[in-house]
Amino acid sequence: NAGVTQTPKFRILKIGQSMTLQCTQDMNHNYMYWYRQDPGMGLKLIYYSVGAGITDKGEVPNGYNVSRSTTEDFPLRLELAAPSQTSVYFCASSSRTGGDEQFFGPGTRLTVL
Amino acid sequence: QKEVEQNSGPLSVPEGAIASLNCTYSDRGSQSFFWYRQYSGKSPELIMSIYSNGDKEDGRFTAQLNKASQYVSLLIRDSQPSDSATYLCAVGPSGTYKYIFGTGTRLKVLA
Repeated sequence: NAGVTQTPKFRILKIGQSMTLQCTQDMNHNYMYWYRQDPGMGLKLIYYSVGAGITDKGEVPNGYNVSRSTTEDFPLRLELAAPSQTSVYFCASSSRTGGDEQFFGPGTRLTVL
Repeated sequence: QKEVEQNSGPLSVPEGAIASLNCTYSDRGSQSFFWYRQYSGKSPELIMSIYSNGDKEDGRFTAQLNKASQYVSLLIRDSQPSDSATYLCAVGPSGTYKYIFGTGTRLKVLA
């Protein structure tokens, strides 16, 4: 049981490039989340999903897109990368909202130069 | 705007002492509360969850919840240098699907 996995672990992008951060969970969780964490700061919600085919914006969605075609996968797409998107990105999942803890992936450290 | 407030620290305690971490939240409808530990460069890992008023103990960790005061705390007994990390307080969704995280308290346990 791998839990929540994320790839890649590290990535350097040039301004204007695009990339997809991958997130997969094998716990059959309905709820999945993408956060970013800037140095010394808390977690900010980018997007979340309550099930396959259903996604919604968090507090900092600009510059990002998501899709959820399966229960297991929740990729995050960065279009036209900007230095302000330099951050650590965490994917998380929970079995149901309101009562259960979130399980976090190991994170992707992204630098945009 | 729903908020979770934590003192950023650092909170320094000697080895073997009790570390007390505090958190307040703004949404009175919140029903679930979580403490996560985050080592530098790592992802958050769950330490404790609490849903009812009172204390919940797990090993050296005790979570305390007071919904009337909108206050949740984490006590770490017999603190060890390996407990040095940032502790995130999180409040589960209330009316939405979103968890709200505090900015974390950095704990330093001095050997």
